[in-house]
Amino acid sequence: GQNIDQPTEMTATEGAIVQINCTYQTSGFNGLFWYQQHAGEAPTFLSYNVLDGLEEKGRFSSFLSRSKGYSYLLLKELQMKDSASYLCAVRDPGGSQGNLIFGKGTKLSVKP
Amino acid sequence: GAGVSQSPSNKVTEKGKDVELRCDPISGHTALYWYRQSLGQGLEFLIYFQGNSAPDKSGLPSDRFSAERTGGSVSTLTIQRTQQEDSAVYLCASSTRRGRGLRTEAFFGQGTRLTVV
Repeated sequence: GQNIDQPTEMTATEGAIVQINCTYQTSGFNGLFWYQQHAGEAPTFLSYNVLDGLEEKGRFSSFLSRSKGYSYLLLKELQMKDSASYLCAVRDPGGSQGNLIFGKGTKLSVKP
Repeated sequence: GAGVSQSPSNKVTEKGKDVELRCDPISGHTALYWYRQSLGQGLEFLIYFQGNSAPDKSGLPSDRFSAERTGGSVSTLTIQRTQQEDSAVYLCASSTRRGRGLRTEAFFGQGTRLTVV
């Protein structure tokens, strides 16, 4: 089976740091993705991890531990525009590329 | 085209009618996905096409749902005898094919908002 867990909601203050966790149990693994989705809009790609460790991209970083089935997305210097849902997705290799399975998303509210 | 295109952007239909939703993926992308998103919920996987392989239909909620992908490009999701619980945003995404372990993120269309009345 496949299961991807994230907290449903989080609240943080403008300028602060927030960490959004994701745990997964999948039959296979070929990469983990984080997406951002603003209300009423399509998801947009944020980050990708396939090896253990931290990937940094500006204010956003993503970490992966394959042995623990765990990832987190770290957002620094929060801005009001970061209020959105953050979706964790795992590529489960089936065939040549594999399906992309999403968690239910974490709704982040950034307060002044 | 430059991005994934979906049509129509909005569709209101009467309960019991059939609807067709269209997705034009990014040119050259071999993988195509359909997801459903109800208000405030996550992305529910529906179906996945990869090249000429048999599609993964494991996410289709009932036999009223079907999808085709013609010529490895355009895809149509068909919902027969629509029910009110089918109301949701239907999102299509596509991704390219690369070697294992290389980034193959999916790019999403803007979705079709389906309302069954």
